[in-house]
Amino acid sequence: DTGVSQDPRHKITKRGQNVTFRCDPISEHNRLYWYRQTLGQGPEFLTYFQNEAQLEKSRLLSDRFSAERPKGSFSTLEIQRTEQGDSAMYLCASSDTGNYGYTFGSGTRLTVV
Amino acid sequence: DQQVKQNSPSLSVQEGRISILNCDYTNSMFDYFLWYKKYPAEGPTFLISISSIKDKNEDGRFTVFLNKSAKHLSLHIVPSQPGDSAVYFCAAPGGGADGLTFGKGTHLIIQP
Repeated sequence: DTGVSQDPRHKITKRGQNVTFRCDPISEHNRLYWYRQTLGQGPEFLTYFQNEAQLEKSRLLSDRFSAERPKGSFSTLEIQRTEQGDSAMYLCASSDTGNYGYTFGSGTRLTVV
Repeated sequence: DQQVKQNSPSLSVQEGRISILNCDYTNSMFDYFLWYKKYPAEGPTFLISISSIKDKNEDGRFTVFLNKSAKHLSLHIVPSQPGDSAVYFCAAPGGGADGLTFGKGTHLIIQP
């Protein structure tokens, strides 16, 4: 297991289009987190899963955002009707329960034009 | 409302000297703190943590100090090396989310 993988690394999309990102966590980790990072800011929490259950969603996660983690394995984050304000780095992380030393992926950089 | 604050956007230190990165927090409910390091085009990497029952934790060249009364923590790197050049984030669990609340980061530049 080589760590947390995210795909794609970069995505350029036109405003109004839908995009989907994928995250493959470390296989033995039962928690999976999505964060968003914009320029000059630290990562901001979006949502997290314990196995397949989505346990918390940030108020940053508007109705246009949806995340899934079928069967408690990989996760997808979909953004519908993208806006320019969605341009950011989307980071995925995984951990064991109770371990805050998350392992982050390299992120997906989204640019909405 | 920034609950974790890193007030220095950047810090330049000469190779071999001590680097001191600072972090302040406002939420007295925070009881655990972490430092992450981030290189360009990579995700953050966990570096070191400290529980609020301690005031110091050391791991090799890295030491984190916690002053609960001042709601302040600092990361000391000694001696600083060129590979330490990165953005350093202070973080704490909670703050309204079950995930981590991060500061804005400090860009550490180690000069030869």
